[in-house]
Amino acid sequence: DVKVTQSSRYLVKRTGEKVFLECVQDMDHENMFWYRQDPGLGLRLIYFSYDVKMKEKGDIPEGYSVSREKKERFSLILESASTNQTSMYLCATGRTLSVNEQFFGPGTRLTVL
Amino acid sequence: DQQVKQNSPSLSVQEGRISILNCDYTNSMFDYFLWYKKYPAEGPTFLISISSIKDKNEDGRFTVFLNKSAKHLSLHIVPSQPGDSAVYFCAASEGNSGYSTLTFGKGTMLLVSP
Repeated sequence: DVKVTQSSRYLVKRTGEKVFLECVQDMDHENMFWYRQDPGLGLRLIYFSYDVKMKEKGDIPEGYSVSREKKERFSLILESASTNQTSMYLCATGRTLSVNEQFFGPGTRLTVL
Repeated sequence: DQQVKQNSPSLSVQEGRISILNCDYTNSMFDYFLWYKKYPAEGPTFLISISSIKDKNEDGRFTVFLNKSAKHLSLHIVPSQPGDSAVYFCAASEGNSGYSTLTFGKGTMLLVSP
């Protein structure tokens, strides 16, 4: 079974703080993804990575950056948190390019005050 | 521009009856479709998928139907159970895009009452 873990289930930060969300997977998957989920908006892709040190912008990358120094670890960084970044953040992993299923972590509920 | 649309935000069904969740897409390059189920405070879990070379895929109580000409797919749950109450997301991908990214709909909340 694929295991995708996220560093925190709940996080409360203040406006302007730098926030790190970490995701770790144990199945040697090539692809890793960061989404945010908001009511009425579904899941929106922020960034993804298809290899170590490689990253690609998703649909809503503004205000975020990512880091993938090791294959199993993918970090989402909010350089200066804002209240509109209050959301549920979901990490996902996927196998090779020919396989489309993604496996999700439990999510981090981030509140920015 | 929303490429994957789930036009019903919610659906209520009685236990034992059929649940039908609908999804429409606009991108004709999509060739692989998935359904995910999400409980509150948990990550989505993969439910069932279908390739564009098929028009039906079945897995136990769950069946997905694909109508390529109408750019429409649906998920049937028979019989529905209270434990099926969750948000269901439809997702689509372009198989040849190279990155296996998924485009998700906004979700439909299914409530199955006893």
